[in-house]
Amino acid sequence: QLQLQESGPGLVKPSETLSLTCTVSGGSISSSSYYWGWIRQPPGKGLEWIGSIYYSGSTYYNPSLKSRVTISVDTSKNQFSLKLSSVTAADTAVYYCARHHRWFGELTFVDPWGQGTLVTVSS
Amino acid sequence: QSALTQPASVSGSPGQSITISCTGTSSDVGGYNYVSWYQQHPGKAPKLMIYDVSNRPSGVSNRFSGSKSGNTASLTISGLQAEDEADYYCSSYTSSSTLVFGTGTKVTVL
Repeated sequence: QLQLQESGPGLVKPSETLSLTCTVSGGSISSSSYYWGWIRQPPGKGLEWIGSIYYSGSTYYNPSLKSRVTISVDTSKNQFSLKLSSVTAADTAVYYCARHHRWFGELTFVDPWGQGTLVTVSS
Repeated sequence: QSALTQPASVSGSPGQSITISCTGTSSDVGGYNYVSWYQQHPGKAPKLMIYDVSNRPSGVSNRFSGSKSGNTASLTISGLQAEDEADYYCSSYTSSSTLVFGTGTKVTVL
């Protein structure tokens, strides 16, 4: 059974860079059937798609975050990572990593999800 | 990109049926059959309930069904049960090669 686990600092200072890693177990990140991505949820609010990456390194990003986001993949470690620069309090959220299903290059649905990790932006 | 529009809340009595709408545009919901629905209980990660408009993953109750007409997708929960009380989100692929989520709907079982 595929599982995803987020890891990284739970507290980041304003203006710094948020860095998270997702470790995939029970399956290969190099599968041609999937993208791998990040979704966040501010406390008490809805879900926001951040972006996704293919094992080859091809990426798609939310236009509203694109200037600050970098998603990378390490197939040797079966991991992918998120970097969000110049963070503010508005970036405080639970960050989920998840497998994105694809069909002929189009993103179809997200499943499964990691358990999520809360990242707080505060000095 | 703008979030898909969902009603903030929907409620129903046990055994009743409820429907949650998800309205987008021709660039997302109306343009692709890649609408999915997720259930989220408090403090938990979202769970896939419906994919590709109307398909149920293995293990999801057949009380959950999905459909689409034009730019609006819908999730129907029949035979409402207490365990169905949760937040529900729709999602769609977009013409910009991105995913967009709905605003979310809180389902209350009266």
